[in-house]
Amino acid sequence: GQQLNQSPQSMFIQEGEDVSMNCTSSSIFNTWLWYKQEPGEGPVLLIALYKAGELTSNGRLTAQFGITRKDSFLNISASIPSDVGIYFCAGQGGSEKLVFGKGTKLTVNP
Amino acid sequence: GAGVSQSPSNKVTEKGKDVELRCDPISGHTALYWYRQSLGQGLEFLIYFQGNSAPDKSGLPSDRFSAERTGGSVSTLTIQRTQQEDSAVYLCASSLVGWGPETQYFGPGTRLLVL
Repeated sequence: GQQLNQSPQSMFIQEGEDVSMNCTSSSIFNTWLWYKQEPGEGPVLLIALYKAGELTSNGRLTAQFGITRKDSFLNISASIPSDVGIYFCAGQGGSEKLVFGKGTKLTVNP
Repeated sequence: GAGVSQSPSNKVTEKGKDVELRCDPISGHTALYWYRQSLGQGLEFLIYFQGNSAPDKSGLPSDRFSAERTGGSVSTLTIQRTQQEDSAVYLCASSLVGWGPETQYFGPGTRLLVL
């Protein structure tokens, strides 16, 4: 099935560094979502974006809905050890199914 | 708790056996989704239930997979004659209404290992 291109696949960073990850698609989406999944848990919604160009923050997290509606990025500032996990983007076109990226695995070294 | 719950949390089975995975959605949520997450992969849509409507089964990978939702609440995903490639995490999610800009809340998943 259709999938988003999410990059990078993994990141190894030092505590305090900023992180950036992105997703691109050949399809236009009306909604972009960013989830975080910790080991042994299901994904938890971090940020939802509903409008092209929208920039939304949630604490140290900032996400943007690309102006072309085919991409989105997530930034994490001043990373801390509890930021470790797998971050997934998901896109949705209207009432269609959510399409998920393959995830970015983040490791933060203290 | 008020979240989505799934059972069992882990399941080890032998190739060829049938397994049943259970999902209890958040009370009042009319939409329920099953996804499969293989190692290093994103979430693969399997099936979607919305109220009393016929389920969207378009994501089921084969006829060995089936799901039911009884009374508009609890759902069971059944995998018959399991194969090793069925090994994955099976995630259930629910939302207040169906597909749309509506938050899906995920359960912790069932980790299935087929030997």
